[in-house]
Amino acid sequence: SQQGEEDPQALSIQEGENATMNCSYKTSINNLQWYRQNSGRGLVHLILIRSNEREKHSGRLRVTLDTSKKSSSLLITASRAADTASYFCATDAIQGAQKLVFGQGTRLTINP
Amino acid sequence: GAGVSQSPSNKVTEKGKDVELRCDPISGHTALYWYRQRLGQGLEFLIYFQGNSAPDKSGLPSDRFSAERTGESVSTLTIQRTQQEDSAVYLCASSFWRPGANVLTFGAGSRLTVL
Repeated sequence: SQQGEEDPQALSIQEGENATMNCSYKTSINNLQWYRQNSGRGLVHLILIRSNEREKHSGRLRVTLDTSKKSSSLLITASRAADTASYFCATDAIQGAQKLVFGQGTRLTINP
Repeated sequence: GAGVSQSPSNKVTEKGKDVELRCDPISGHTALYWYRQRLGQGLEFLIYFQGNSAPDKSGLPSDRFSAERTGESVSTLTIQRTQQEDSAVYLCASSFWRPGANVLTFGAGSRLTVL
């Protein structure tokens, strides 16, 4: 089964609002990453958070990690129409650490 | 090269035919990955190459699927006797693998349609 599971599967909000997506995983990890995908093509790396970090920021992105709950969240503040995309979390497990395992993704739609 | 290059970008084939998908990773990247993504779904790990180590083939769905990599360069994913359920986008990614900081750069994918 997939290591990472995103929630919700789909999210639709108005431009300017904040968007929050969640990711849960099953095994102990070295780090967790978030990627973005436009129109079903290649993914683009957004941010990486290590297992000893609890929060990380990059521009309008804020990622949290709770290793006790095996979960992470991605917050996009002041959303824009251009943020419309699918967002995936990926985990780098301690065992089999070289293999990144992706979740099913959250489809985010920003309405102008 | 500047990015990960995949070819063909689109491939339509008939059931039962063999297909080859090619990936040119970023120069100097030691690790190379293949993933499969069915329509509206997440990424399904297929195979991973790291330097001269034996590849991790644990994600290949059947013996109809195989992949090779020449040194730290080009990789080819081969699907024999294609089936309709093989229809998907096949994504290749490469990275300069570092412990705890393995960030992937993806190609644009090869969309395979099996009729």
